Amino acid sequence: DVKVTQSSRYLVKRTGEKVFLECVQDMDHENMFWYRQDPGLGLRLIYFSYDVKMKEKGDIPEGYSVSREKKERFSLILESASTNQTSMYLCASLSVNTGELFFGEGSRLTVL
Amino acid sequence: GQNIDQPTEMTATEGAIVQINCTYQTSGFNGLFWYQQHAGEAPTFLSYNVLDGLEEKGRFSSFLSRSKGYSYLLLKELQMKDSASYLCAVRGAGGSYIPTFGRGTSLIVHP
Repeated sequence: DVKVTQSSRYLVKRTGEKVFLECVQDMDHENMFWYRQDPGLGLRLIYFSYDVKMKEKGDIPEGYSVSREKKERFSLILESASTNQTSMYLCASLSVNTGELFFGEGSRLTVL
Repeated sequence: GQNIDQPTEMTATEGAIVQINCTYQTSGFNGLFWYQQHAGEAPTFLSYNVLDGLEEKGRFSSFLSRSKGYSYLLLKELQMKDSASYLCAVRGAGGSYIPTFGRGTSLIVHP
């Protein structure tokens, strides 16, 4: 069964803390994505990566960075968490053949 | 840029048929997706349309008209478990694989 796994389902952090969200996929996909999802705003793309060590900004990259050291792993980093980064974070990887995005179960982050 | 519109919320009765519309304005077009997302869960793939017409998959069908920038998802014989958010996503042109999502339609199925 193909899988995208996010390391934490729920996190609570304090303002100013550094936060790491990890995502691993086992499908050998080249393209991986980080989205955040907020009520009424839908899914918004933060960053994506089309290869190891390659990254591109999405629509809302401010306050975030990413790391892709290995093909299967794509990490989202909040250097200094703020309350407006309280959200659901979804990682996805893309099958180029079918166009389908495979999503992880999401990480719900609360910043106090 | 890309603009994708779909209704915010819809309600329907168990056993009925519901049609969820999606209109889009994009710089080029490379396919339209529908995803289903239950509360607290990840989105799951429902359909992918590249060419005009209707594609049927069990109780779910998806239609695309590229000239009108329009798609719909048709759900037949509604069940309570179909209560979920339905996300329309469009992939633009230029070799980009990145889909842009609409805000989603929350479907409530009641007895």
